[in-house]
Amino acid sequence: DIQMTQSPSSLSASVGDRVTITCRASQGISNYLAWYQQKPGKVPELLIYGASTLQSGVPSRFSGSGSGTDFTLTISSLQPEDVATYYCQKYNNAPLTFGGGTKVQIK
Amino acid sequence: EVQVVESGGGLAQPGGSLRLSCAASGFTFSSYSMNWVRQAPGKGLEWVSYISSSSSTIYYADSVKGRFTISRDNAKNSLYLQMNSLRAEDTAVYFCARGFRAAAGAVDYWGQGTLVAVSS
Repeated sequence: DIQMTQSPSSLSASVGDRVTITCRASQGISNYLAWYQQKPGKVPELLIYGASTLQSGVPSRFSGSGSGTDFTLTISSLQPEDVATYYCQKYNNAPLTFGGGTKVQIK
Repeated sequence: EVQVVESGGGLAQPGGSLRLSCAASGFTFSSYSMNWVRQAPGKGLEWVSYISSSSSTIYYADSVKGRFTISRDNAKNSLYLQMNSLRAEDTAVYFCARGFRAAAGAVDYWGQGTLVAVSS
């Protein structure tokens, strides 16, 4: 099975900073990658699908890129409301594996 | 408004069984794939199972294969997860999640979850 590895597992940044999270697949998955945001005590929300397509209603400071095995989620200017854990997920075929998550905090 | 509401969680003994249900509303349930995703306390998300809109395609995570059974009743707008031979490591919040039509396999709506605790 394909493994999904996220890095870092946690980060702390200042408001306004550019933040980048990486997700690596152990085998190529084309662009079948989604990103989710889970705020503390809340259910996850879909941010990005197709590696780079923003879900409706998601702020434009979020962006995704990558294809094959290496993907990134970027927050161009970190806001206090972005404090959350972010997960990638492969969906090219089963199992629909999630990455281990990246916890983003404000410094 | 899209809603998915889970029920059926609770305390079970190791080796025991539970049946989770998910009631869907606000969308044409029969047109969407559905998933179960779980999250152990303080841990990350773990995909559990997928069922296509017509039940023709079903997938399971290796960790639950042979023990859990996903099913749906489109006439009742309901999704189910029969969990047998429960283990301590199955303890988690179980989310019912709607498949995202633009990206089959991703999910776009999640319920609030139901807690399953497996302990003697």
